[in-house]
Amino acid sequence: GENVEQHPSTLSVQEGDSAVIKCTYSDSASNYFPWYKQELGKRPQLIIDIRSNVGEKKDQRIAVTLNKTAKHFSLHITETQPEDSAVYFCAASRVGGNKLVFGAGTILRVKS
Amino acid sequence: DAGVIQSPRHEVTEMGQEVTLRCKPISGHDYLFWYRQTMMRGLELLIYFNNNVPIDDSGMPEDRFSAKMPNASFSTLKIQPSEPRDSAVYFCASRADRAGEKLFFGSGTQLSVL
Repeated sequence: GENVEQHPSTLSVQEGDSAVIKCTYSDSASNYFPWYKQELGKRPQLIIDIRSNVGEKKDQRIAVTLNKTAKHFSLHITETQPEDSAVYFCAASRVGGNKLVFGAGTILRVKS
Repeated sequence: DAGVIQSPRHEVTEMGQEVTLRCKPISGHDYLFWYRQTMMRGLELLIYFNNNVPIDDSGMPEDRFSAKMPNASFSTLKIQPSEPRDSAVYFCASRADRAGEKLFFGSGTQLSVL
């Protein structure tokens, strides 16, 4: 089955700097890659996703890149703000997205 | 819409007791998922339903766990008997087939088995 590895497990950045979180996956048939943000004590929420027919997707300060050949994808957050502090999870699945396999999560701390 | 609603928010029980977690998905959503979150194992898919029918329960850890979806607006996850290692946050999530793969999570149930 699919296996998703996520790095780093914790990341501290200064407010205004960029943050990058990387994930690798094992199943070459996976073609859907979402990112979820979970604030302390709250539910995970989708912040951005990408499909395998696209190499990059941006939404304001957030971007995701995908390299299908290398089987890795990354989340980029620019101009970080304290409210970006949370746990970020990457995930992967085949078409339909029903069997999402999540990475272990990255704790992002943005210091002001 | 109030989103995915789970109850209870917190459950503390003693080992050996039966635990029932409840979920009301967003109206009109075709799929319902049960996830378990722990520090050690992260977010794990336990089981999911499509149109009230269980499709994949391969993530259910043991026979002590069971899930039902008697109608489109209600699902339960039951653990009987409960054990301390079942302590975790259990999330229910739903999505609409016509709207893509975005999952909407409930607030979760924090389960502590003493």
